[in-house]
Amino acid sequence: DAGVTQSPTHLIKTRGQQVTLRCSPKSGHDTVSWYQQALGQGPQFIFQYYEEEERQRGNFPDRFSGHQFPNYSSELNVNALLLGDSALYLCASSPLGMNRENTEAFFGQGTRLTVV
Amino acid sequence: DAKTTQPPSMDCAEGRAANLPCNHSTISGNEYVYWYRQIHSQGPQYIIHGLKNNETNEMASLIITEDRKSSTLILPHATLRDTAVYYCIVRVVRGVNDMRFGAGTRLTVKP
Repeated sequence: DAGVTQSPTHLIKTRGQQVTLRCSPKSGHDTVSWYQQALGQGPQFIFQYYEEEERQRGNFPDRFSGHQFPNYSSELNVNALLLGDSALYLCASSPLGMNRENTEAFFGQGTRLTVV
Repeated sequence: DAKTTQPPSMDCAEGRAANLPCNHSTISGNEYVYWYRQIHSQGPQYIIHGLKNNETNEMASLIITEDRKSSTLILPHATLRDTAVYYCIVRVVRGVNDMRFGAGTRLTVKP
């Protein structure tokens, strides 16, 4: 079992560009959450996807959007990149859906995005 | 989710027990206490969670006070590889699985 995999591992983009980050959840997991972690801070919740829909969203602007595919994998899209979007982007998957008891979330190793 | 308070940093001698405190005085009856750790530049790693009873697994023990307003994560024999940032999170288990991380405690295990 490969666990949660994210791609790419590192990325450099120019201010104003758009970026897409990808996440494959752990086998058997159907819920994917995305987090942004700035240097020296804890991860901040961006949003969560279940059954291909965004179920909850943290305090992030509409420039941050996502998608979940039928195979449960997910993408995070960020438009009009700002220098402040430079961070480690983490994906976490969970084994059970909305109406069942969740246990622990498993995190990927993250994508390090640098905006220049 | 309830907020948590953790000391920003702690040191521990290698081979000794590391006791990491967490205050969650506003915890609700249906909220669990979760602990994760993050080793430099890696994704957070699940350690343990509990509701009101003490819990133990192969990594650590979790002691929750009777009033549930605080807890302690215990690493019984800390090694250098346990140097990491430790996050205490309280969350409702059922429903949307988002977690609200604080700044955590940076534990440094010293030889």
